[in-house]
Amino acid sequence: EVQLVESGGGLVQPGGSLRLSCAASGFSFSNYWMHWVRQAPGKGLVWVAHINNDGSHTTYADSVKGRFTISRDNAKNTVSLQMNSLRGEDTAVYHCARGGGGIDQWGQGTLVTVSS
Amino acid sequence: DIVMTQSPDSLAVSLGERATINCKSSQSLLESSDNKNYLAWYQQKPGQPPKLLIYWASTRESGVPDRFSGSGSGTDFTLTISSLQAEDVAVYYCQRYYITPFTFGQGTKLEIK
Repeated sequence: EVQLVESGGGLVQPGGSLRLSCAASGFSFSNYWMHWVRQAPGKGLVWVAHINNDGSHTTYADSVKGRFTISRDNAKNTVSLQMNSLRGEDTAVYHCARGGGGIDQWGQGTLVTVSS
Repeated sequence: DIVMTQSPDSLAVSLGERATINCKSSQSLLESSDNKNYLAWYQQKPGQPPKLLIYWASTRESGVPDRFSGSGSGTDFTLTISSLQAEDVAVYYCQRYYITPFTFGQGTKLEIK
């Protein structure tokens, strides 16, 4: 069974940093692109970042470019999102997701709250 | 940047009736290299992560009931539920994928009339 389990969310002050992690299991992790997608409370889905199979190529939404960094460790089957210079508008549930034909597997998400 | 616009924002349909949701892209999603449209549809129920329904604009994901179908090409796409069931109440999203940015539509809330 495919599983994606996020961790690392919590309350952080504006300007602070947080690192999210996602543990993947049940599939050949190194064969897939991975994404982070966020959803603010009561709002729609927003794609945040993507990383290719071997980690050599990453892309970001304009709203997080220069502040967030996605990375992966194929030996440990994990993907991470380092979030710096956090703002109130970054408050959201962050989902780790697997890219295939579309995004075909999603984690339950971890809540990040940016507030003083 | 690419913009994905769904219509309507919300929709109420009677049980057993047809529901139609539209998605318009500001750029063509048809890739000339393989003649495929990189457009996916998702269903999200309250408190759950999204679920992939359709990819390549019209290919149903494994296990998705055949009352769900996708159509369209280029910039205009449609998700159709042929006979609405109570369990189909959800928010539906379209998304451009494979080519960055992987933009989502704003979502369409589907309810029972």
